[in-house]
Amino acid sequence: QKEVEQDPGPLSVPEGAIVSLNCTYSNSAFQYFMWYRQYSRKGPELLMYTYSSGNKEDGRFTAQVDKSSKYISLFIRDSQPSDSATYLCAMSGSGGGADGLTFGKGTHLIIQP
Amino acid sequence: ETGVTQTPRHLVMGMTNKKSLKCEQHLGHNAMYWYKQSAKKPLELMFVYNFKEQTENNSVPSRFSPECPNSSHLFLHLHTLQPEDSALYLCASSQESLIDRNNSPLHFGNGTRLTVT
Repeated sequence: QKEVEQDPGPLSVPEGAIVSLNCTYSNSAFQYFMWYRQYSRKGPELLMYTYSSGNKEDGRFTAQVDKSSKYISLFIRDSQPSDSATYLCAMSGSGGGADGLTFGKGTHLIIQP
Repeated sequence: ETGVTQTPRHLVMGMTNKKSLKCEQHLGHNAMYWYKQSAKKPLELMFVYNFKEQTENNSVPSRFSPECPNSSHLFLHLHTLQPEDSALYLCASSQESLIDRNNSPLHFGNGTRLTVT
């Protein structure tokens, strides 16, 4: 079983819809959870950074962590064509850096105008 | 502007060539990294430089050789590569704590798209 599972998509939704992106993991030592957004021909940029279980909201984005189910989600409200990108989940047992940092394969999201 | 600059953006090289990738970070971070990104695969960590010392290489083939002359610059020297080495090579930096494990998340550059012919 892979450490982090993420559906590669593509996931295509109409503009204005609520988008739900998810990752599951197997390592119970993971405590720090990140979502990166990667536009075509660009590097990943940090979108959300959370610790342990719970929700974190930033504008139209909400990150949710359920450690008991080993499941994390990223919700995008009022989706825009500019949200079209690949979304990478990442997680680690330490606070940051690359120490034990494990990435998902990324989900390719397409928002249709 | 990401604060991490990589050059060149694109590189095509033959299997017998020698080339170098360059990375410069303007964030004052003390750790830098090379990652390989291939289609349909998770990001693969290649090299870690923490306080200018290499701390991890993850069994990368010797045809990849990193160099970190200071905490702001990182190079990846390439020689006798194989076609399967074609990928996006990403540089990243972070601020590592000297006291605890409260380190910052990674900040990535825009990568070098490498094609080996």
